[in-house]
Amino acid sequence: GAGVSQSPSNKVTEKGKDVELRCDPISGHTALYWYRQSLGQGLEFLIYFQGNSAPDKSGLPSDRFSAERTGGSVSTLTIQRTQQEDSAVYLCASSLATGTGKEYFGPGTRLLVL
Amino acid sequence: GESVGLHLPTLSVQEGDNSIINCAYSNSASDYFIWYKQESGKGPQFIIDIRSNMDKRQGQRVTVLLNKTVKHLSLQIAATQPGDSAVYFCAETLQGAQKLVFGQGTRLTINP
Repeated sequence: GAGVSQSPSNKVTEKGKDVELRCDPISGHTALYWYRQSLGQGLEFLIYFQGNSAPDKSGLPSDRFSAERTGGSVSTLTIQRTQQEDSAVYLCASSLATGTGKEYFGPGTRLLVL
Repeated sequence: GESVGLHLPTLSVQEGDNSIINCAYSNSASDYFIWYKQESGKGPQFIIDIRSNMDKRQGQRVTVLLNKTVKHLSLQIAATQPGDSAVYFCAETLQGAQKLVFGQGTRLTINP
C-alpha cells in the first residue's frame, strides 16, 4: 500500500512569510508525528497526534510553529513569520495506535528560508 | 534522548568489510528498539527491531545486539555494499508510550 506522503517536497520562502507543510499518513494509522532535521543532524521531535487525544506539543520550538490534524488523517504543520534558522527538512511519520510504536516516515519537506 | 544540536559521528569502512554501529540508549525501562537507515534526501526507513526479551536478532546481512546491562544497542552490517552508505539511527520506546526516542545517528560511509 501507499506509504506516508508529504508535500511539497521542497519549499523556498522569504524570511517573514508563513508556510504550510502537509502530511498524509498511512491509511489506518492513528498516530502521527512531526520531526525537524537540520543539515547533518539528528531528528528533533516537534509534535505528536494520537487519535482524538490532545496533541503532545512539547517539542514545538516557538509559538510560530503549530500543527493540526483534520479528520484524524491529514496533518498540516504551519510555520508563521519564518526565520532563516527554520531552514531544515521536516519529516512526518505515522504508526498504528496499538502497534509497537514502529514509525513509518515520509520523504520529508525541505524548507529553505532566504 | 533527543539528538538536537549535535553533529553526527561518522564511520568509514571498506566495501566488503563488516561494520558495527553503536548506540547508547537512555531509558533502562525501554523494551523495544529499532534501527533506521536514512539515505541522502530520503526519510528514515526501518531496518530491524528487537524486543528487550531478546539479546540478538538477525536479518538479511544485519544483526542487532542488545545489552540491557549497559544500555547498549549495536547494528552489525555484514559484507558492506555502497548502498549501505547512509545515516543510521537507533530508537527506543516503552510499550504503551507510543513515541520513539531517537539516538543521535551515525553516518556510515562505504569506501570502494
